[in-house]
Amino acid sequence: ETGVTQSPTHLIKTRGQQVTLRCSSQSGHNTVSWYQQALGQGPQFIFQYYREEENGRGNFPPRFSGLQFPNYSSELNVNALELDDSALYLCASSYRTGTGYTEAFFGQGTRLTVV
Amino acid sequence: AQSVTQLDSHVSVSEGTPVLLRCNYSSSYSPSLFWYVQHPNKGLQLLLKYTSAATLVKGINGFEAEFKKSETSFHLTKPSAHMSDAAEYFCVVSDPNDYKLSFGAGTTVTVRA
Repeated sequence: ETGVTQSPTHLIKTRGQQVTLRCSSQSGHNTVSWYQQALGQGPQFIFQYYREEENGRGNFPPRFSGLQFPNYSSELNVNALELDDSALYLCASSYRTGTGYTEAFFGQGTRLTVV
Repeated sequence: AQSVTQLDSHVSVSEGTPVLLRCNYSSSYSPSLFWYVQHPNKGLQLLLKYTSAATLVKGINGFEAEFKKSETSFHLTKPSAHMSDAAEYFCVVSDPNDYKLSFGAGTTVTVRA
């Protein structure tokens, strides 16, 4: 086990609804990244948070947003859900040093189904 | 920008035989390279990583990978497959100071008894 926990494990939502996914990072880590893994594909980077601010973003629309809290846990929010948002959402934590990042540890993911 | 190409979408081997998973990368910098494994209904587990030290990298569960800059490759091998190796494997690249991991499309490994 990596020490990164995500909740819930599974979720079913209706198109147009909003969803919040949660992640607790590994102890000592200060950076959280979120990835979307569609069925049969590799994970795609959504964004990263460092010190409670967005530190980089992939090619995802603004309806994907996030938060990082002082204890380094994080939320991923998705508004106006679309059928294509159905995927496994993975959270990864790492430690940002002065020169780079340590390796990322992943949670088990949240399986989101939009109907 | 960095990217990864996994040359095989599916590899099937017999238990006890070698496993080879092929990966080519593209990066503007001296990259960090990783192999992750994903078992069904599980998260991603790091198998090994290359970060500009020795070109032959040993990982967990008997896996190893060799970084070849001239060929821009980072192939993963294991001398003898075990049934528990059946999973999805991802080759991943990142630039040293980048926040983003770029994943390949994955290789599904099936192990026959």
